[in-house]
Amino acid sequence: LAKTTQPISMDSYEGQEVNITCSHNNIATNDYITWYQQFPSQGPRFIIQGYKTKVTNEVASLFIPADRKSSTLSLPRVSLSDTAVYYCLVGGTLFSGGYNKLIFGAGTRLAVHP
Amino acid sequence: DSGVTQTPKHLITATGQRVTLRCSPRSGDLSVYWYQQSLDQGLQFLIQYYNGEERAKGNILERFSAQQFPDLHSELNLSSLELGDSALYFCASSVRDGGLAGANEQFFGPGTRLTVL
Repeated sequence: LAKTTQPISMDSYEGQEVNITCSHNNIATNDYITWYQQFPSQGPRFIIQGYKTKVTNEVASLFIPADRKSSTLSLPRVSLSDTAVYYCLVGGTLFSGGYNKLIFGAGTRLAVHP
Repeated sequence: DSGVTQTPKHLITATGQRVTLRCSPRSGDLSVYWYQQSLDQGLQFLIQYYNGEERAKGNILERFSAQQFPDLHSELNLSSLELGDSALYFCASSVRDGGLAGANEQFFGPGTRLTVL
């Protein structure tokens, strides 16, 4: 499974756009990129998933360059409630032997300040 | 609310004991996953079941076992408990087993906090 590297922590202020970049240099051809959000003492929650280029949903955008060796999660106009840990994961593909286990790294602790 | 339920919410027990954690997946989801989250290890995948069969194994100790029943609920059994087993245990579910193209979203339950004294 591809290893991911992301910043340990980030700080932002309410109303700002936050971009969290994840490196995954050895991503496999069939790997998808998925981001989860976790609040303290709660289970992770799916945010967004993509394979290439750009994906946007109601809460975030995911930018993936052509070489797919990195990805950037973009959170528009963050609020205090976006303070959480954000995990970048790669994997879960057709040729993964039928499994979909998620390998979580340390994640990025985002702190949003008033 | 993810639709995944876990019981109990909290569990306090002593070393050497055995406990069972229960998980009910979202309606219609066939896959169940178990994760352990401790302060020093982060979130670790333990095991996955799909429609009653084991599909993938992660860092699950031999003292731990799991099963998925015909009604699709799952139980994680932890035996000969040690202090280091104290952690949050999450169950997640998804529709597919990940064998099809593309990962599929996993929905996590609220977790069971296990404290071993």
